Amino acid sequence: ELKVEQNPLFLSMQEGKNYTIYCNYSTTSDRLYWYRQDPGKSLESLFVLLSNGAVKQEGRLMASLDTKARLSTLHITAAVHDLSATYFCAVDQRRGGADGLTFGKGTHLIIQP
Amino acid sequence: NAGVTQTPKFRVLKTGQSMTLLCAQDMNHEYMYWYRQDPGMGLRLIHYSVGEGTTAKGEVPDGYNVSRLKKQNFLLGLESAAPSQTSVYFCASSYSSLVAGDSNQPQHFGDGTRLSIL
Repeated sequence: ELKVEQNPLFLSMQEGKNYTIYCNYSTTSDRLYWYRQDPGKSLESLFVLLSNGAVKQEGRLMASLDTKARLSTLHITAAVHDLSATYFCAVDQRRGGADGLTFGKGTHLIIQP
Repeated sequence: NAGVTQTPKFRVLKTGQSMTLLCAQDMNHEYMYWYRQDPGMGLRLIHYSVGEGTTAKGEVPDGYNVSRLKKQNFLLGLESAAPSQTSVYFCASSYSSLVAGDSNQPQHFGDGTRLSIL
């Protein structure tokens, strides 16, 4: 059974600081996804990571994937209040994505002025 | 672009009542999914469909049924609602692997249906 674990589950940080969210998964998987969710809203796709060593960056967020370690990280650089949200990582249950995604429990991120 | 549209957005039911949640997508996606989201649990897959006329069970299928009579629509049914089914339900869709190949296409999510069962 595929398991996806995120840590931390809750993070409060100050603006301007850097931090990393970690996502571990238990079995070999095809792709890893990062989503953002604002309170009461839908899930917004941030990154799709396809291969070992993949690194993607968008603004103050950077995601990386190490398939050998079964680990992905989401790094936040010089955090700003607008990045406050819940961040989920998710993994394809089967190659091609047909069987749906297994999600981590999410990291609730609060960025304070 | 509408993307993935879910109806209704909110609903309150009494225990034992039935209802159907509708998901419609206009992106010509082959794959469609129903997830539920509960506090502190992330999202869990209920049922999914890899094409018109096909459905399969996900991680938490008990108490739900689904149908995919048309490619663009995926219905989730609760035959006899229970308080444990109080949740936020999300529909999602994506391209099939045959179309997307190894591209970086994510699943696209609807805005959710907030369902309370008393």
